[in-house]
Amino acid sequence: AQSVTQLDSQVPVFEEAPVELRCNYSSSVSVYLFWYVQYPNQGLQLLLKYLSGSTLVKGINGFEAEFNKSQTSFHLRKPSVHISDTAEYFCAVTPFSGSARQLTFGSGTQLTVLP
Amino acid sequence: DGGITQSPKYLFRKEGQNVTLSCEQNLNHDAMYWYRQDPGQGLRLIYYSQIVNDFQKGDIAEGYSVSREKKESFPLTVTSAQKNPTAFYLCASSLQGNTEAFFGQGTRLTVV
Repeated sequence: AQSVTQLDSQVPVFEEAPVELRCNYSSSVSVYLFWYVQYPNQGLQLLLKYLSGSTLVKGINGFEAEFNKSQTSFHLRKPSVHISDTAEYFCAVTPFSGSARQLTFGSGTQLTVLP
Repeated sequence: DGGITQSPKYLFRKEGQNVTLSCEQNLNHDAMYWYRQDPGQGLRLIYYSQIVNDFQKGDIAEGYSVSREKKESFPLTVTSAQKNPTAFYLCASSLQGNTEAFFGQGTRLTVV
């Protein structure tokens, strides 16, 4: 079984400031890791994913994340945020094995970018 | 355009009534999923299906039922046995062997 913990439920930040959204996971098997973004009353859009290889992955909209296996973390970062980044962000994992991609999600982090 | 279509976007029902949420995809994906989203709880898996005429329970299947008669379609029925059905429901799909799941725009169900 897997579990995902997003350490901050709400993160307010001023425009053009850097931001880090924290994610820790627990799993008895190897997993793929994802960050999704959700705008109000919409579905989820994939920001980035870690499958293997380089632990620093780059995604859309200037976001990046770093996989740390020893700390079982996958924190999301952006060096300079914009008003349009205001949304809810979800960290998720899925096991390597199996053909289905059922995801285990964290509880989400609401990022609010202030002018 | 290829994608996942959920309908309707908003749905209101009286308590005790069954209601069916539609999910259709034209991505030729093998697997489809239903998630429930509640504020502060993230998304939780209700059911998923890897092939036609087969599906498996997720973490919170009680009070829900699904069918997979066609590859493109995976409707979810919220039955009267579901004690707290008001939520945002998201459908997703993925291609076998692929790592990514794609999501629909969701259906917000309100039971009064």
